[in-house]
Amino acid sequence: KAGVTQTPRYLIKTRGQQVTLSCSPISGHRSVSWYQQTPGQGLQFLFEYFSETQRNKGNFPGRFSGRQFSNSRSEMNVSTLELGDSALYLCASSLGQGAMYEQYFGPGTRLTVT
Amino acid sequence: TQLLEQSPQFLSIQEGENLTVYCNSSSVFSSLQWYRQEPGEGPVLLVTVVTGGEVKKLKRLTFQFGDARKDSSLHITAAQPGDTGLYLCPASNDYKLSFGAGTTVTVRA
Repeated sequence: KAGVTQTPRYLIKTRGQQVTLSCSPISGHRSVSWYQQTPGQGLQFLFEYFSETQRNKGNFPGRFSGRQFSNSRSEMNVSTLELGDSALYLCASSLGQGAMYEQYFGPGTRLTVT
Repeated sequence: TQLLEQSPQFLSIQEGENLTVYCNSSSVFSSLQWYRQEPGEGPVLLVTVVTGGEVKKLKRLTFQFGDARKDSSLHITAAQPGDTGLYLCPASNDYKLSFGAGTTVTVRA
């Protein structure tokens, strides 16, 4: 069974631009969660999508948004990029909603904002 | 929100040595997961422990869940350079995994 895939793997953007990241979950998994990882803050929860609806949201500004499609694929969008948005963005898929289900991570998208 | 502390934060050992990483909390967990992350990659799920006192083995890795389900340990026997990475044991808080800083393990050849 194929794992979680994320595209693109690397991205360089300029401050003020916007970016869209994509995540394809493991086949059969209906929940996708997004995390931001930085050296200073570690892994922080952004949001979770289940059945095309955002179920939970972390403590991030409204510039961070996402959506989920009927095939469970998810996208994350960051608008008006800031230098501090440079990070590894990880998505994780699981069978169901909530952390009681095992979460499987993708390889991440490395975003660099200049 | 359940919080989980890992120790030590950094560990550097020689190939062939043994090591133990700890996760501790004042809260009871229904389950606990261990991940290993290599630089530039996503965390890879190693194991999930569910029952208090449970011991799981994955080749040279031994995972133990405390009897009270408040702590866990990971023991690596005869460490190899391939064991190098960031070991994470996030707390499951309802809808999300809450990660601490983890333990960075470096195994020198």
